[in-house]
Amino acid sequence: DAKTTQPPSMDCAEGRAANLPCNHSTISGNEYVYWYRQIHSQGPQYIIHGLKNNETNEMASLIITEDRKSSTLILPHATLRDTAVYYCIVRVAYQGAQKLVFGQGTRLTINP
Amino acid sequence: GAVVSQHPSRVICKSGTSVKIECRSLDFQATTMFWYRQFPKQSLMLMATSNEGSKATYEQGVEKDKFLINHASLTLSTLTVTSAHPEDSSFYICSARIQGITGELFFGEGSRLTVL
Repeated sequence: DAKTTQPPSMDCAEGRAANLPCNHSTISGNEYVYWYRQIHSQGPQYIIHGLKNNETNEMASLIITEDRKSSTLILPHATLRDTAVYYCIVRVAYQGAQKLVFGQGTRLTINP
Repeated sequence: GAVVSQHPSRVICKSGTSVKIECRSLDFQATTMFWYRQFPKQSLMLMATSNEGSKATYEQGVEKDKFLINHASLTLSTLTVTSAHPEDSSFYICSARIQGITGELFFGEGSRLTVL
């Protein structure tokens, strides 16, 4: 799986949009970009994933650059409960047994 | 959404004893489950891939005789930490993917093991 690079930490004000970047310059054509988050002392939570097109769900939006070498996770109106470590992972989908390998992630702190 | 449940959520044991952690997929079948370990302020480290009806696949550096994994059914995988020592104290997390459906993995709540 391609390696990802994320800033170790970020801060954002409550109510503002939180934009979390991820670099994945070695991504392959069949690899998807996945985002998970982990709130302290809990299991990771799936947020969103995408291949080429931008994606949006009830939790967040995922913007993938045209060359697919980087992406941004956007939490449109951050709340205090969004404070967590956010992991960007690239991997091939459609392989049931393929493992998910976590990097160090970005520790996002939402400030009141 | 799909739910993965772990039990126990917290366990404290004496050094030298064995501890079993269960991972259940509550509303779906999972042919493959994954076990992770997480030390404080560190990322999740994949330990092994648990396959229903066959032997688990362990990551490099993970002792298979130390961390016994059994995946006897499509909804249950167990991790047994044998002869636990204080250095085995960690947060253990399992995950599973819905059989036949690709995409996201669902994670359990985690089990915090403290070995005295």
